[in-house]
Amino acid sequence: QVQLQESGPGLVKPSQTLSLTCTVSGGSISSGAYYWSWIRHHPGKGLEWIGYIYYSGTTYYNPSLKSRLTISVDTSKTQFSLKLSSVTAADTAVYYCARGKDTGGNSKYFDSWGQGTLVTVSS
Amino acid sequence: SYELTQPPSVSVSPGQTARITCSGGELPKRYAYWYQQKPGQAPVLVIYKDSERPSGIPERFSGSSSGTTVTLTISGVQAEDEADYYCQSADSVGIYVVFGGGTKLTVL
Repeated sequence: QVQLQESGPGLVKPSQTLSLTCTVSGGSISSGAYYWSWIRHHPGKGLEWIGYIYYSGTTYYNPSLKSRLTISVDTSKTQFSLKLSSVTAADTAVYYCARGKDTGGNSKYFDSWGQGTLVTVSS
Repeated sequence: SYELTQPPSVSVSPGQTARITCSGGELPKRYAYWYQQKPGQAPVLVIYKDSERPSGIPERFSGSSSGTTVTLTISGVQAEDEADYYCQSADSVGIYVVFGGGTKLTVL
């Protein structure tokens, strides 16, 4: 069974870049059947989709974050990563990585999630 | 931007039926999915493709769709079902992912 694990700093200063890595085990990150995503949960609020990447490197980003966002994949390390630049307190959230599936182009959903990691933006 | 609308809260007594709705203009064309999230835990998929139930999810969880509204139904609610529930779907081109605002289910 696939497992995902987020890693990275829990504290980031305002205006700096938030960097997280998700390590995938128990399954192939190179499978074309899946895509690899980041989702965040602001304290006391709902879930927000950040973006996703296919093993080929094709990416799709939430339009509200696109100008600050980079998602990349390293298939040799079975990892994918998130970089969010120019962060503010509004980026404080629990960040999840997740495996997604595409239902034949109709829509996408997430069948496996990491445990999540809290990132606080503060000086 | 495309939005999915859920009621902020639903309350039921144990053994009763809970119904959580999610509305969105693209739902007649796009599948909907439901996730359960308990405090301090990652979300868990409980319904996919409007009404399919993943393995390991109790039969009391079911989903349905009618026009621009999808519904998560929990029959015979148990105390352990108390959680936040989120619907999720995609935009008009099926590329961008959208979550509803979430519904807090309280078991009285």
